[in-house]
Amino acid sequence: EIVMTQSPDTLSVSPGERATLSCRASQSISSNLAWYQQKPGQAPRLLIYGAITRATGIPARFSGSGSGTEFTLTISSLQSEDFAVYYCQQYNNWPPLTFGGGTKVQIK
Amino acid sequence: QVQLQESGPGLVKPSETLSLTCAVSGGSISSYYWSWVRQPPGKGLEWIGHMYYTGTTNYNPSLKSRVTISLDTSQNQVSLKLTSVTAADTAVYYCARDGRYHHYMDVWGKGTTVTVSS
Repeated sequence: EIVMTQSPDTLSVSPGERATLSCRASQSISSNLAWYQQKPGQAPRLLIYGAITRATGIPARFSGSGSGTEFTLTISSLQSEDFAVYYCQQYNNWPPLTFGGGTKVQIK
Repeated sequence: QVQLQESGPGLVKPSETLSLTCAVSGGSISSYYWSWVRQPPGKGLEWIGHMYYTGTTNYNPSLKSRVTISLDTSQNQVSLKLTSVTAADTAVYYCARDGRYHHYMDVWGKGTTVTVSS
């Protein structure tokens, strides 16, 4: 099973600032990585797939990078609606599909 | 656009079987895999398994002995059964569409909360 590790657990950021979230895979997953955003009481929402491709309707301030075992989600200028929990998920080696533990982005 | 709606009992007794249904509207269940994902209170996401409309299934090895996912193409529904439940199975259960070749989940239901308690 591929283990996905996200860091940090919590990120405190002021509105308008940049947020950088990390995700590490226990072995290479090529570019088969997705990022999701989850707000309280809501289902996850797909942001990024293929490590770098924004899903339909996702603002350009969200960008993904990385390949192999190291990945990054960057939010260039945090808006109030971006404060949420973010999860990465690998789909290279399965079953099982596996998620990271999440990074909570909160207001500083 | 495609919408998913989970339904089922909100309370299940320990040792019994959890049964949920996901109604797919706005599109066909053909040509996609359909996943179930759960989230215990205050915790992260766990993939349970998925099924392709042809009948192919894959399950999380940690749950495989207790899980069955099925599709009803005539009703456009996806079902989940989880046997011998314990308190550890208390969670929000989501159904989600995942791709034929790349298994990220692009459409999610709102989720349904299941509590295991006597």
